[in-house]
Amino acid sequence: TQLLEQSPQFLSIQEGENLTVYCNSSSVFSSLQWYRQEPGEGPVLLVTVVTGGEVKKLKRLTFQFGDARKDSSLHITAAQPGDTGLYLCAGARAGGTSYGKLTFGQGTILTVHP
Amino acid sequence: DAGVIQSPRHEVTEMGQEVTLRCKPISGHNSLFWYRQTMMRGLELLIYFNNNVPIDDSGMPEDRFSAKMPNASFSTLKIQPSEPRDSAVYFCASNPGLAGELFFGEGSRLTVL
Repeated sequence: TQLLEQSPQFLSIQEGENLTVYCNSSSVFSSLQWYRQEPGEGPVLLVTVVTGGEVKKLKRLTFQFGDARKDSSLHITAAQPGDTGLYLCAGARAGGTSYGKLTFGQGTILTVHP
Repeated sequence: DAGVIQSPRHEVTEMGQEVTLRCKPISGHNSLFWYRQTMMRGLELLIYFNNNVPIDDSGMPEDRFSAKMPNASFSTLKIQPSEPRDSAVYFCASNPGLAGELFFGEGSRLTVL
């Protein structure tokens, strides 16, 4: 069962364009993380959102956590070739043996062409 | 500070052979996670440890897979016997507690012929 659905799976855009990646679930998460992964490397954390409705900005990246803590989005403004990579969302459950257990979405492969 | 260290980076083996993947977490991190990544299924959690104790191994595909953490600085993931469908990139990750940011190693790419 895929608990976190990411869309789109693939995104190919030109430098300077804006884009949004979505991460949706029917489950409630105590927190949600976004990671970026480059070829041959492991994922690296970009941001963690914890509060429903929370918005966090990281330079040209804007992350939002849904009010019900079931979904999240990542918006990139004026994309650059250096933004190319695999973007993963990951939700954390709270309580019991699931505490701290992260469930990852399938990922969005972003390619930004010069 | 060194990050999470995994070995080998690449392994090519034949079906039926035993495979052992190794991980050294970041010093001081109490939790260690093994993930498997494929194009079809994405990143799947196989097992995780807290203070060297396995907490949840529900993601381990079958009895051919086993994982150990004999001490705070070392863990192994073993596949015996290996099958072609086990081909994937296996990641080890650690974090200071149970929740929060995961620090991933560079992965071990396994190819089973």
